[in-house]
Amino acid sequence: SQTIHQWPATLVQPVGSPLSLECTVEGTSNPNLYWYRQAAGRGLQLLFYSVGIGQISSEVPQNLSASRPQDRQFILSSKKLLLSDSGFYLCAFGRGGGSSYEQYFGPGTRLTVT
Amino acid sequence: GQNIDQPTEMTATEGAIVQINCTYQTSGFNGLFWYQQHAGEAPTFLSYNVLDGLEEKGRFSSFLSRSKGYSYLLLKELQMKDSASYLCAVKKAGTALIFGKGTTLSVSS
Repeated sequence: SQTIHQWPATLVQPVGSPLSLECTVEGTSNPNLYWYRQAAGRGLQLLFYSVGIGQISSEVPQNLSASRPQDRQFILSSKKLLLSDSGFYLCAFGRGGGSSYEQYFGPGTRLTVT
Repeated sequence: GQNIDQPTEMTATEGAIVQINCTYQTSGFNGLFWYQQHAGEAPTFLSYNVLDGLEEKGRFSSFLSRSKGYSYLLLKELQMKDSASYLCAVKKAGTALIFGKGTTLSVSS
């Protein structure tokens, strides 16, 4: 069965510090991978998605970046965090196609920028 | 543009039936998802409708009308553990999902 891992579970970082969040998927190959952010009182916002190694699409302009160095690894990064980067970051993978498509979320990383 | 609307909050009692509505206006449509999210946790997949009609999965059912840009999630025989946020999401062409802000359901005894 497919599983998705994220770490760390929680993170407190000062403004201006770098960020690296990692997501890995097991039990599937060539998954579509996604990074979402959920800020307090707001809906889930798609940040990046990837359909293959090295292929990254950005949905919103921001100081975050994403990379996919391996088939089942997706990394979210920032060189300098802003207060507005605080939120719940969720990685997801998609499988199947057409009416069989499903998308599953990892456990998430709760980031607080102070 | 993209617009997905859901009620912000709903309340119901144990054993009752509740219907959570979702209307959408999006550029591109390849199906509609419903997720359940308990406080502090990641969303969990409930259902996916790509064709018009009703999909039933145990106590949960989801309905879609593409011509009306409308979906609903029906929860029967409500239990306390059903207290959660319910997220409606539209799958655009490609694979990206656009989420509504979610409906927080409170179930009381």
